[in-house]
Amino acid sequence: DAMVIQNPRYQVTQFGKPVTLSCSQTLNHNVMYWYQQKSSQAPKLLFHYYDKDFNNEADTPDNFQSRRPNTSFCFLDIRSPGLGDAAMYLCATSIQGITEAFFGQGTRLTVV
Amino acid sequence: KNEVEQSPQNLTAQEGEFITINCSYSVGISALHWLQQHPGGGIVSLFMLSSGKKKHGRLIATINIQEKHSSLHITASHPRDSAVYICAVRFNTNAGKSTFGDGTTLTVKP
Repeated sequence: DAMVIQNPRYQVTQFGKPVTLSCSQTLNHNVMYWYQQKSSQAPKLLFHYYDKDFNNEADTPDNFQSRRPNTSFCFLDIRSPGLGDAAMYLCATSIQGITEAFFGQGTRLTVV
Repeated sequence: KNEVEQSPQNLTAQEGEFITINCSYSVGISALHWLQQHPGGGIVSLFMLSSGKKKHGRLIATINIQEKHSSLHITASHPRDSAVYICAVRFNTNAGKSTFGDGTTLTVKP
């Protein structure tokens, strides 16, 4: 059974139109991460939640926001997607300092 | 400059060959992950290591803390092993976040 679920698997959005990607987990892990991975590149951490504490990476654009209403769900909001935001977005969970990270299947975002 | 270096960047092998992928890092770590990503797919965690050696099926991962080096081995490689293999390191100074290597693209030909 899938433990980290990302929806949708594929998302097409218009240039400048807000879009939300979702991630849910059944593991009850306290840490959730959002990564951006562009073609042929390593995943890049955008931000992570440690419980409800939000931790933004210094170079994450303001265009990217996140919400974590409860332990199980985390959302990535892109307020005004640009063509350069087309990428695979990966969600991962872990227990801080204890377990390996579990990744979702990713959402591939296309901006047209 | 990426603090996690993987080699080789690309690797092509014949089915049945023994594969080794290497990962080196610059400073002390709390954990090292080996991840597998198929084209267009999500990431699967293969191993998490902090010391020694782990084995799962045809996959073996080793780590040498003193040398700051880890290897992922695949025995009796198969075309379905074709994927990108990524080393991700959790540095002691950056607890909770992983730094990723650039990945090794493995192609196993039948």
